[in-house]
Formats: sequence, C-alpha cells, structure tokens
Amino acid sequence: NAGVTQTPKFRVLKTGQSMTLLCAQDMNHEYMYWYRQDPGMGLRLIHYSVGEGTTAKGEVPDGYNVSRLKKQNFLLGLESAAPSQTSVYFCASRTNRNSPLHFGNGTRLTVT
Amino acid sequence: AQKVTQAQTEISVVEKEDVTLDCVYETRDTTYYLFWYKQPPSGELVFLIRRNSFDEQNEISGRYSWNFQKSTSSFNFTITASQVVDSAVYFCALRIFRANNLFFGTGTRLTVIP
Repeated sequence: NAGVTQTPKFRVLKTGQSMTLLCAQDMNHEYMYWYRQDPGMGLRLIHYSVGEGTTAKGEVPDGYNVSRLKKQNFLLGLESAAPSQTSVYFCASRTNRNSPLHFGNGTRLTVT
Repeated sequence: AQKVTQAQTEISVVEKEDVTLDCVYETRDTTYYLFWYKQPPSGELVFLIRRNSFDEQNEISGRYSWNFQKSTSSFNFTITASQVVDSAVYFCALRIFRANNLFFGTGTRLTVIP
C-alpha cells in the first residue's frame, strides 16, 4: 500500500520560479488537502478538495493554486515562488469528513 | 473561530517516566472532533486518536491514554512509561462538525532521554 505519495521530497527554487508539487493517493479517497508546516506555527491549510474537479481555499491560499483533475491526484502550484513560501508541505487525504487524515511524507521546499 | 493551544513547546523526560501533553481548544460549536497526531523524526504524520464532543470517556491504548474534559475544553494526552521511540512532535487538532478543515495546534516536541 503506497497510501499518500508526494513528489518531489526536496526542492530548492529561486525567487520568481514556478513549480508544481504532486500528491497521489491510492485509497480512493474523496477529500484531499495541502498543508504547510512552519516552525512554531503547526500545520496550516492552503487548499483542499472534496472531490474530483473541486477545489477550495484554506487558511493561507495566497500565492498557491491547485487542481484536482483526477480523483487520485491533487496538484499544488507556485506560480512565482517567494522566500516566504519556504516550508514543509504536506498532502493529506481521507475517505469522508469524519475519517482521519492520512498524510504523505512531506516536501521540503526552500526558496532563495 | 476555532483555536487549538498547545502551551508546551518542548518537553524532555527520562525513559520510563510518565508525561502528559496538554491541549486546550476553543470553539462555539457543540459538535466537534478532536485529534492527536504524532510526527516522528522521519517526518510523516501518524494519526493516533479521534474523539467526538459527545463522548467524554477517557481512552486507553497500551501506554497511551487520553483525557477529554469539556468543562475545561481540554484533551490531554498521557504516555505512561515513556520510551525513546516516543520522541516526536505531537499535534492536537480540532474539526467542527460541518467543516472540512482541521485546525492544528503548534505542536509539542517530546524528547525521551535514555
């Protein structure tokens, strides 16, 4: 069971560059989430999706875009990276609103 | 508004000691869910427990136990006879009934010294 898989695991970007983080889950989960984790701030929700073709904003959506074209994939895009987006990004998924979140192993992004 | 406070930023204990991690939450909703997640040094987040607001029974799972008290808006986590493998960051989280999001606390880093 792969569960939730995030690629890449590490990335270094220069300010202004763009990139896409991929999250893939093989559990047929409806709900998918992107969080960022910063020291002393816990996890904060960026965007989420309640099903294929849907997306919604979380607490800190600015500077990010997402797409859920296929049920198993949830992409997080940075169009013009900024140093403030240096963080560890976690993808998570779950079957429905009442089930626990399953997390990926995270992507460490550094923007210089 | 929802809020989760984990006032203990870091805790160190010697192996075999008991340790309690505090979690205080705020919400105006009467129906909500509380969670604990563990983040070991490897980085992944592991689900430990979910509690709904109508179930105040304490729960025990091996060396882990949880004390949910609505009167004090607390959902504390105790590890009995701690082990080095318990070293991790522990997050408490809250979700209100109709919401899709979990609100996480800032985490408590537990270090168990052999």
